[in-house]
Order: sequence, then C-alpha cells, then structure tokens
Amino acid sequence: LAKTTQPISMDSYEGQEVNITCSHNNIATNDYITWYQQFPSQGPRFIIQGYKTKVTNEVASLFIPADRKSSTLSLPRVSLSDTAVYYCLVGDLVSGGYNKLIFGAGTRLAVHP
Amino acid sequence: ETGVTQTPRHLVMGMTNKKSLKCEQHLGHNAMYWYKQSAKKPLELMFVYNFKEQTENNSVPSRFSPECPNSSHLFLHLHTLQPEDSALYLCASSPDRGDEKLFFGSGTQLSVL
Repeated sequence: LAKTTQPISMDSYEGQEVNITCSHNNIATNDYITWYQQFPSQGPRFIIQGYKTKVTNEVASLFIPADRKSSTLSLPRVSLSDTAVYYCLVGDLVSGGYNKLIFGAGTRLAVHP
Repeated sequence: ETGVTQTPRHLVMGMTNKKSLKCEQHLGHNAMYWYKQSAKKPLELMFVYNFKEQTENNSVPSRFSPECPNSSHLFLHLHTLQPEDSALYLCASSPDRGDEKLFFGSGTQLSVL
C-alpha cells in the first residue's frame, strides 16, 4: 500500500493557482517527498522534491510543514497544458534498509478555459 | 527526453505470442524498475533491479520474465499473456535502489488480443 493519500480529482481554470495536498502521516525521518506529473499514455515526470519547509523551482513550489505529515504542491497560474495526474511519492522503508517505491492513486487535475 | 528509452512504443500481441519489451537508460543509474499501469489505475511496481541483480518481484505472474544484462539495459519478456495484461508498461531508473527521484521512459502500450 502507498504511504500517501491525495484527493482523487480537482478542477481549476486557466491563470489560477492550484494547490494539491498530500497526506503522509507515517513518513519516516529519512523520507523525502517527491511529486510527479503524468500525461495520458506517458511516463510520470519528476516535478519537485523536498524534505522540509519550502522548495521552489521553475515549475512549482512545495510546502512542507514542520511535522512533515503532509505536503502541498503549488502550481502558479495554471494553463490547459497542466491538465494531468499528479502523484505524491514517499518511499516505504522496508527490511533491507531501502525504500519501496509505491505510488498512490494520484490527483487528476483538470484545467478549464 | 528523460534519458530512459523504451521500445516498442506500441505492441499488439496474441495470447500465444512471445514478445519482449526493451528499456535503456543513459543516466549512469544503478537501479532500474518495471511498473505496470492499467487504464486509469495507479502504477503497480513489478520488478526492481539494482546493479543488474533482481531485488524485488512483487508477486508478478511467471508469464512476465525480466532480464537485466547490465545496469543500462532492462528487458521484459512476455509469453502466453492474457487480455487483462493489456496496459502501459513503464520502465524507470534511479541513481540507487529506493531513490525517490525516478526517471521514467515513455512506456510501451501493450494490447493483448
């Protein structure tokens, strides 16, 4: 089972800021939080990764509160081309000392004109 | 371009056929993965290889047979598949096993008739 929970779907309009929240109550001390974007019939694409506080790149921002039990992906001024499924990934540390990379259901974002 | 190349992009096969999917990464990564994604479902982790040694097999039926001749190449050999095996098969790589920053190929869209 995935360690993360996200809303199944979200709707937005062009030009708006979109915030997608992911819950990961059982995150381990060494876990990073990684977000991916996936278009139909393509592989997921890495967007952003963080450990704590705030991370920003040219595509998005990632906000992580002090307890790290959730994270929020922020997409500024979305366009139609941002319509995709967004996955939050937190590795599941298993015996052997490595992370098992299980994806959750993701959030299907639809951007409307 | 993610540095991970999958061929073929599309494949149609009968239930009695034998075919192979190929994945190649040019990133110098040590870990490679096979994921399966059925229509509108989350990604399912199938196999994990680290330094060309198989480290995970998530209860995948034996009609799927992976092969990793070196750290840059990964194959998935298919034989006597079922229609329910129709899906998008995704290859990914990461610097090390369990590293949450995965680089995915574009996938092979498989249809089993």
